[in-house]
Amino acid sequence: QVQLVESGGGLVKPGGSLRLSCAASGFTFTDYYMSWVRQAPGKGLEWVSYISFTGTSIYYADSVKGRFTTSRDNAKNSLFLQMNNLRPEDTAVYYCAKNGPVDSWGQGTLVTVSA
Amino acid sequence: EIVMTQSPATLSVSPGERATLSCRASHSVSSNLAWYQQKPGQAPRLLIFGASSRATGIPARFSGSGSGTEFTLTISSLQSEDFAVYYCLQYYNWPYTFGQGTKLEIK
Repeated sequence: QVQLVESGGGLVKPGGSLRLSCAASGFTFTDYYMSWVRQAPGKGLEWVSYISFTGTSIYYADSVKGRFTTSRDNAKNSLFLQMNNLRPEDTAVYYCAKNGPVDSWGQGTLVTVSA
Repeated sequence: EIVMTQSPATLSVSPGERATLSCRASHSVSSNLAWYQQKPGQAPRLLIFGASSRATGIPARFSGSGSGTEFTLTISSLQSEDFAVYYCLQYYNWPYTFGQGTKLEIK
């Protein structure tokens, strides 16, 4: 079955950086676009970024453009989110997600940006 | 950016009754509309895609309808496990956008 396992979340100070990883299994990774979707505590869902099969096309929400970078390693069935210049409003659970519309989600990893 | 507006924000319904949730898009999204269910502490679950197609394993009591800018999710006979937050999503163009959610609670 499809498994998406995120890692790399944690507490970081404003202006700091974090790199999230997602290990995918149970499906042919190269056949799917992959995404990062986040959810601030007690709030709704926000699509953060979306990467094509080979990584040649990547889309970002305006709220993270220029600060976040999404990449994938198809040889290792892995998805990444490099987050720089983090702000308190980036505090959220970050979900690794398969396809668009998303048909499978990871369990999420919490990123907390606070001094 | 296409803005998705869900109504109502909270819906109180008794078990066994029908629930109707609405989602409106600020511009046409054709049939590129999905519905998700989310329970506390869990990731969302895909219910409906293409406005009206049920995802794998989703019970027949869930149905979606609409196209363009007006969409509806109907749950025909509410079960206890259906009380949750529901989100619509447009994937017609980037940035993909979610509605703010409808909380379905027990009356």
